[in-house]
Amino acid sequence: SSELTQDPAVSVALGQTVRITCQGDSLRSYYASWYQQKPGQAPVLVIYGKNNRPSGIPDRISGSRPGNTASLTITGAQAEDEADYYCHSRDTSGNHLVFGGGTKLTVL
Amino acid sequence: QVQLQESGPGVVKPSETLSLTCTVSGGSVSSGSYYWSWIRQPPGKGLEWIGYIYYSGNTNYNPSLKSRVTISVDTSKKQFSLNLSSVTAADTAVYYCARGIAAAGFFAFDYWGQGTLVTVSS
Repeated sequence: SSELTQDPAVSVALGQTVRITCQGDSLRSYYASWYQQKPGQAPVLVIYGKNNRPSGIPDRISGSRPGNTASLTITGAQAEDEADYYCHSRDTSGNHLVFGGGTKLTVL
Repeated sequence: QVQLQESGPGVVKPSETLSLTCTVSGGSVSSGSYYWSWIRQPPGKGLEWIGYIYYSGNTNYNPSLKSRVTISVDTSKKQFSLNLSSVTAADTAVYYCARGIAAAGFFAFDYWGQGTLVTVSS
């Protein structure tokens, strides 16, 4: 089992806002990074640090970390946002890295 | 633009050693800022961090794989490599190489290779 827990699946209506969460004790000390993965493709970094987006990632994707839960929020979800999303951070020891189990986002 | 490309056999026999190489272009593996990493994904499943190597040669491995994993770097060839020994069918996965960045409070993989499927089968 992973030290980072994600809901397996989430759905959102086109144009609405969705929040994907990642829970873990290590998140009290470390920020989560978030990755988007579409079928047959490598993961793409979408959020890192406090709320940083790599170049090319739209500002409708944002991140936050209240307590031991990190959140990825997509405001005005588009069809192209349909993908698997993985959170990632250090483990509770701080010495190693872990991924959450992933959340499959469906845009209806 | 940094690019990473995995290479190696697509099929490995059980009990043998899986060996993959990642070639980095558009950047240097000898930079002190980055962690050159391996991550895998079994078919239909989630991502698993395998380990990374710092340019100095320091390594850090997933505790669940540590006894079987070796990651090394060849700065002259701009490559880093993964060896995973005593493989079983459970090691069948898409293997990704990636560049890790770290700063206060976070670690992230900002560039990824396209991934290579390795199947363990006799």
